Amino acid sequence: DIVMTQSPLSLPVTPGEPASISCRSSQSLVHSNGYNYLEWFLQKPGQSPQLLIYLGSNRASGVPDRFSGSGSGTDFTLKISRVEADDVGVYYCMQDLQDRTFGQGTKVEIK
Amino acid sequence: QVQLQESGPGLVRPSETLSLTCTVSGGSISSYYWSWFRQPPGKALEWIGYIYSSGTTKYNPSLKSRVTISVDTSKNQFSLKVSSLTAADTAVYYCARHTAYQLPMAPQYNYHYLDVWGKGTTVTVSS
Repeated sequence: DIVMTQSPLSLPVTPGEPASISCRSSQSLVHSNGYNYLEWFLQKPGQSPQLLIYLGSNRASGVPDRFSGSGSGTDFTLKISRVEADDVGVYYCMQDLQDRTFGQGTKVEIK
Repeated sequence: QVQLQESGPGLVRPSETLSLTCTVSGGSISSYYWSWFRQPPGKALEWIGYIYSSGTTKYNPSLKSRVTISVDTSKNQFSLKVSSLTAADTAVYYCARHTAYQLPMAPQYNYHYLDVWGKGTTVTVSS
């Protein structure tokens, strides 16, 4: 199994300030086609997950450009350039190179 | 736009079989992959398995012996069965759609990202 490890697990943020979440995989997520098979989701309180980023760095439709994904291989980062109050919730990374496994989640809350 | 709605019993007894259905509205179930996920209280998400509209399936190895996913294209629905339930199966169960994306630098490949989710249904396993 590919194990996904996120850090930090809790992230207090100040509106208007940047925020960053790390996700590491136990093995490389680079497919033979050269792409990184990693997605980022946000699960707002009481809601189902919503896709933010796919293939490591592609923003999903309708996702604000303050969200960006980067990284390759085993190390990935989700960045929010300027946090807004609506960004609170739990952020998950998920690999889909071999089946699908999620990180533990990072809870983002306003300070 | 496409919407997914999970349905099924909220309470199931230990050792019994859970049956859930996901109804797809606003679009066709054909030519897509469809997944089931679950989330135990206060825990992370877990992928259960997926099915293609033709009936091809793949399951999480940790659940494979107890899980069956099926599709009924005439009803625009797909279903999940989990047998030999225990308290550890208590969770919110979600269904979701995968949409195909042709990779620009490798057009012979399609990547399938999870773009539509149901609201989830809570299942409690208890006597």
